[in-house]
Amino acid sequence: DAGVIQSPRHEVTEMGQEVTLRCKPISGHNSLFWYRQTMMRGLELLIYFNNNVPIDDSGMPEDRFSAKMPNASFSTLKIQPSEPRDSAVYFCASSPFGGSGGLKETQYFGPGTRLLVL
Amino acid sequence: AQTVTQSQPEMSVQEAETVTLSCTYDTSESDYYLFWYKQPPSRQMILVIRQEAYKQQNATENRFSVNFQKAAKSFSLKISDSQLGDAAMYFCAYRRLYGKLTFGQGTILTVHP
Repeated sequence: DAGVIQSPRHEVTEMGQEVTLRCKPISGHNSLFWYRQTMMRGLELLIYFNNNVPIDDSGMPEDRFSAKMPNASFSTLKIQPSEPRDSAVYFCASSPFGGSGGLKETQYFGPGTRLLVL
Repeated sequence: AQTVTQSQPEMSVQEAETVTLSCTYDTSESDYYLFWYKQPPSRQMILVIRQEAYKQQNATENRFSVNFQKAAKSFSLKISDSQLGDAAMYFCAYRRLYGKLTFGQGTILTVHP
């Protein structure tokens, strides 16, 4: 399996610009997670989807952030407008979600997108 | 809310020796999962080992094993026969039956040749 695929791997942009991060989960996985890693806050969940439906978006910082999952094989995380404090590594992870309550699910992470907002 | 604490910001070990990384967590749940992830300089998050809370037997994966103490809410990682490739940041993580991972602050492991 190809694993979780994220693009771009690196993004440098200027404050105020729109940034779109992309994720392709592992085929057959129906849960998808977006995490952000910063020095100050560590690793934290932004949002996660089950079967393309957002379940928990309490970690989304503010209205500048939005995430979509139009189908089972693709998700985007958009920041508009971007700010320097958004600079971080953004990870996408996916997992299977079993009918028994997901007792066996493990989250597999993509390589991350390193975002720098100048 | 669940919290995960890694009290060792940095640890070091000699090659071929054994090292233990500590992790404690707080939860009111009885069923949950615990994980150790490794993050090398490439930033890739790699699953090292997983423990189901309902299992009393400690998980093992080759040179990696855990000491899971449910009553004490402790979940330490032991790395035996340490190798240079083990050098990385290690994160302890908690998850309820489903949903998000809650991570600790991480421990940087240095392996000396």
